[in-house]
Amino acid sequence: GAVVSQHPSRVICKSGTSVKIECRSLDFQATTMFWYRQFPKQSLMLMATSNEGSKATYEQGVEKDKFLINHASLTLSTLTVTSAHPEDSSFYICSAIGGTGALYNEQFFGPGTRLTVL
Amino acid sequence: AQSVTQPDIHITVSEGASLELRCNYSYGATPYLFWYVQSPGQGLQLLLKYFSGDTLVQGIKGFEAEFKRSQSSFNLRKPSVHWSDAAEYFCAVTGGGNKLTFGTGTQLKVEL
Repeated sequence: GAVVSQHPSRVICKSGTSVKIECRSLDFQATTMFWYRQFPKQSLMLMATSNEGSKATYEQGVEKDKFLINHASLTLSTLTVTSAHPEDSSFYICSAIGGTGALYNEQFFGPGTRLTVL
Repeated sequence: AQSVTQPDIHITVSEGASLELRCNYSYGATPYLFWYVQSPGQGLQLLLKYFSGDTLVQGIKGFEAEFKRSQSSFNLRKPSVHWSDAAEYFCAVTGGGNKLTFGTGTQLKVEL
C-alpha cells in the first residue's frame, strides 16, 4: 500500500522558536496533502489542504501566518509552526492522496509528529 | 455541516468476544463513511468504507460495518476480537471532495 512518512516523530522546542515538520509520500506522487491536528481525547481536526505548486487552503480559525505550509513537490509537504507557544503543543498528522478527479480519493496517513513547546 | 459522534470513549472486551463500536453521523445528503484504526505511534489505517450499494460493508482484519440511513449510523463490528485489535478507532464522514470529518475516537482494550 501507499506509505506516508513524517519527520520528526517527536520534537520538543522552546517557546518562541519555529519548528518544521516534513510529510513525504514514499511510493506515490501526492497531488494533495492534508494537515491535521489532534489533541488528546479529541478528533483529528483538519488544518489545511495543500496542492502541489499552489498555496494551501486553510480551515476557518487556523492562522496561516502561524502554520506555514509548503507543498513544493509531489512527494513533500512541510508544516512550519512559527513562534511556537505551549498552546501549539499537539499531535500533528499529515495525509496524502495520489489522484484527482474522483469524488473521493483514499487518504494515506503519516504516523504523526508529537510537538511539545516548553 | 457534517459531524460524527462516537458515543463510547473507551470499550473493553475479552479476547474472542464480539465487538461493536458505535458511530452516528450528521450529513444532509448521502454520506461517504469510513472507519480507521490508529495504533500508538502509527498513522491511521483504513478498515473499510461505504460509498453506495450494499449497506453491509466488509473490511480488512475481519471487520464489517453496516450503514443504516434511518438511524444515521455506521457501526463497526467484529465477531471475535483478537488481542492485536487493541487500538483507537475513528469513524469519519465526507460528502465528497476529500475533506474528512472525524469522530472523537473509541479506545479499544482487549483483555486476555
